Amino acid sequence: DAKTTQPNSMESNEEEPVHLPCNHSTISGTDYIHWYRQLPSQGPEYVIHGLTSNVNNRMASLAIAEDRKSSTLILHRATLRDAAVYYCILREYGGSQGNLIFGKGTKLSVKP
Amino acid sequence: DAGVIQSPRHEVTEMGQEVTLRCKPISGHDYLFWYRQTMMRGLELLIYFNNNVPIDDSGMPEDRFSAKMPNASFSTLKIQPSEPRDSAVYFCASSLAVARGTQYFGPGTRLLVL
Repeated sequence: DAKTTQPNSMESNEEEPVHLPCNHSTISGTDYIHWYRQLPSQGPEYVIHGLTSNVNNRMASLAIAEDRKSSTLILHRATLRDAAVYYCILREYGGSQGNLIFGKGTKLSVKP
Repeated sequence: DAGVIQSPRHEVTEMGQEVTLRCKPISGHDYLFWYRQTMMRGLELLIYFNNNVPIDDSGMPEDRFSAKMPNASFSTLKIQPSEPRDSAVYFCASSLAVARGTQYFGPGTRLLVL
C-alpha cells in the first residue's frame, strides 16, 4: 500500500470547520483513499472514502485533489466529540490484501 | 446490529499464562481481522480470515500466538505462554468482501501481562 503523510497534531475550536490534510504523492490509479478515526479508548471507526470525486456523508466531507496526490477530510462543525486521532489510509481497489495499514495519524484537539 | 463484539474487555494475567481473546463479527461479514495496538508500534494487523479461512498471518509475532475461526460467527486469538511485551489493546474487525476497505472494529480487549 502507498504511504501517506499527515501532520502529527492539529487544534480546532468547537463549532468551527476543520480541514485535516493528507499527502499521498505515490498514490496509484486504483488506490482508494480511506479515512478512519479513533476516539479515546475506542476502536477505529470508518469515516469516509473516495477514489477521484469529492464525497460527502453525515460525518464528514472528503476533498480529493485533481491529481489525487493529496486529500482533505473536512469536519464542517467540530464538536468536542470529534477529538480523536484521524487516519488517512490508501487501499488498492480489488487488491488481494484485505488489511488496512494504519500510520500515526493526526491527533485532533477541539477546544470549547 | 450489535456491531463487532469482543470479550473480555479487560484481561490481567501473569507471565506464562494462556490468554484467549474472543470475537463475534457482524453477521454476514466475510472478512475478520485481528489487530494489535501499542504506543510503540501503533495499530498493526496480526491476521485476517476470509470465509473462516486464514489468508494472511504474516503479522503474527511468533508461534506463541494462534488464531482460529471455527465458524462465521466466532473467532479466537490465543497467546500461550503470555509475556509482558504482549501487553496491548487487541482489536477485532470485520467487513464485507465487496467493501474490504470499510472495516468495523470492536471495542478492543485491553491485555496486561504482569
